[in-house]
Amino acid sequence: NAGVTQTPKFRVLKTGQSMTLLCAQDMNHEYMYWYRQDPGMGLRLIHYSVGEGTTAKGEVPDGYNVSRLKKQNFLLGLESAAPSQTSVYFCASSYLLTGSQHFGDGTRLSIL
Amino acid sequence: RKEVEQDPGPFNVPEGATVAFNCTYSNSASQSFFWYRQDCRKEPKLLMSVYSSGNEDGRFTAQLNRASQYISLLIRDSKLSDSATYLCVVNYNNAGNMLTFGGGTRLMVKP
Repeated sequence: NAGVTQTPKFRVLKTGQSMTLLCAQDMNHEYMYWYRQDPGMGLRLIHYSVGEGTTAKGEVPDGYNVSRLKKQNFLLGLESAAPSQTSVYFCASSYLLTGSQHFGDGTRLSIL
Repeated sequence: RKEVEQDPGPFNVPEGATVAFNCTYSNSASQSFFWYRQDCRKEPKLLMSVYSSGNEDGRFTAQLNRASQYISLLIRDSKLSDSATYLCVVNYNNAGNMLTFGGGTRLMVKP
């Protein structure tokens, strides 16, 4: 009963490097989301997807790209990492857009 | 004004105490309301949905006041294991009716 799985769990990057975070869900949810959480800032939505092949910008999309080629997977890419992108990244999925969301256990990303 | 506002706390209470948190939201058209719990360095997890008539789940009671645009969470007989951050979540009519998370209220239950 995996739910939402994020990989990797931890990563350290140098400024300017690129990487992709993977989110996979096995609940057949249409909706998937990427958030970042910083101290004192709460959860902020980066991008989301309302179905396979579709993505949309959230509150803080700059510096990130996403893809949803398969319904169960939602990828978050950092093209050129910056120290300001040091954060904890959470992926979530939901059955309804306004329904409760199920979260992965997060990716802790540090950019030096 | 933030879309969803919470007192960040921390609320320090003794075991067995009753504690209540409020959360205010700005969009009067909001329809979906939730309380999530987040333990330190863990992911948020759904605690309970909040229904118009109010609802209870064991020691936890959630209330919705549409007129004043706030929701509340009451925890009775606090346990040490209740120590966590409680996130208020409301759907917001921007970018397609997305859920918006409050910054959270930290609760610390002491022996």
